[in-house]
Amino acid sequence: NAGVMQNPRHLVRRRGQEARLRCSPMKGHSHVYWYRQLPEEGLKFMVYLQKENIIDESGMPKERFSAEFPKEGPSILRIQQVVRGDSAAYFCASSPSREGTQYFGPGTRLLVL
Amino acid sequence: KQEVTQIPAALSVPEGENLVLNCSFTDSAIYNLQWFRQDPGKGLTSLLLIQSSQREQTSGRLNASLDKSSGRSTLYIAASQPGDSATYLCAASMEYGNKLVFGAGTILRVKS
Repeated sequence: NAGVMQNPRHLVRRRGQEARLRCSPMKGHSHVYWYRQLPEEGLKFMVYLQKENIIDESGMPKERFSAEFPKEGPSILRIQQVVRGDSAAYFCASSPSREGTQYFGPGTRLLVL
Repeated sequence: KQEVTQIPAALSVPEGENLVLNCSFTDSAIYNLQWFRQDPGKGLTSLLLIQSSQREQTSGRLNASLDKSSGRSTLYIAASQPGDSATYLCAASMEYGNKLVFGAGTILRVKS
């Protein structure tokens, strides 16, 4: 059973461009979480999704950020008009149930120039 | 608002030593608590998960305990090895399995 997969592993964008981060959960997992790790800071929750539904987006910045988890395909975290402060490692985790262990992917490291 | 604190921030020990990492949380109404390991530039590896109804969990040389009343969890590593060098994170889940609130981590270095 392959682990949580994220791509790309590294992403470089210029200010104002869009960034799309993808997360494929483990097989059989329908719960996906996104976290962000800013330089020199701890991991912070962003959003929790279950197939086709956003369950909790209390950690998402109000503007420019959106997430989806369609019926088919990976979960997508989208950042529009990126700014330098968006540079961070973005981690996705999946779980088979709402109360189960969260398994993390390797992360996508976003650098905004 | 739940806050998770880990001490020490960094720890350096000689190989073979037993060690304890500490984690405290402000709101005792947690659903579960997880310990993770993060290697530089890598993702997180789940080490142990303790449900709120449990007192401890063991896996190999690792033992994690949970005391909800005092708002504390400890990760005990026996007979440490250089390969144990990493950042150790604890995270509390507040609601019925939901978002994790992370501590800042303890950076562990085991010297050979």
